[in-house]
Amino acid sequence: GQSLEQPSEVTAVEGAIVQINCTYQTSGFYGLSWYQQHDGGAPTFLSYNALDGLEETGRFSSFLSRSDSYGYLLLQELQMKDSASYFCAVRGSQGNLIFGKGTKLSVKP
Amino acid sequence: EAGVTQFPSHSVIEKGQTVTLRCDPISGHDNLYWYRRVMGKEIKFLLHFVKESKQDESGMPNNRFLAERTGGTYSTLKVQPAELEDSGVYFCASRKGRWGNTIYFGEGSWLTVV
Repeated sequence: GQSLEQPSEVTAVEGAIVQINCTYQTSGFYGLSWYQQHDGGAPTFLSYNALDGLEETGRFSSFLSRSDSYGYLLLQELQMKDSASYFCAVRGSQGNLIFGKGTKLSVKP
Repeated sequence: EAGVTQFPSHSVIEKGQTVTLRCDPISGHDNLYWYRRVMGKEIKFLLHFVKESKQDESGMPNNRFLAERTGGTYSTLKVQPAELEDSGVYFCASRKGRWGNTIYFGEGSWLTVV
């Protein structure tokens, strides 16, 4: 089976950098994704890593280490609008996503 | 291009009643997924359609839940009879190919069973 672990809550101030870690256990690995969900909204895709290393998309970056079964999402120059829940997810063998429990990020002024 | 749309956005029903949720995926997306998020918990996979066929329904909690996708276009998820623990947000998502990077989610159908 698959399982993912990530912190339940993180708090940071505007302008800061925050890293949200995710460790996973899977029977087969098909990539690690990150999704953002604002309260009451749809989860929206942020990034996907299939290979080791860092993927950068604007203020957000995602890192993967397959040997450590570990990844993280890095958010830079935090803004108030970044307050949301962030989910890491691995892909099942049929292409569906298995989500972690989510990390609630609170950005303070 | 329209995104994934879900109806109703909110539903409040009594225990024992029936509710049917509908999802219209992005046009041309063969893969359709149903997920559920119960308050404060993870987004949990329910099932996966490829066109009209159920590819994986391992996440369906019990036989009170019935999903269909006749014709391979829109899908419905029926809960009958609803129980209190069925309350949560039901998300539908779609993807064009099996291994495309991005799964697009709808805004969700909020179900409250009282």
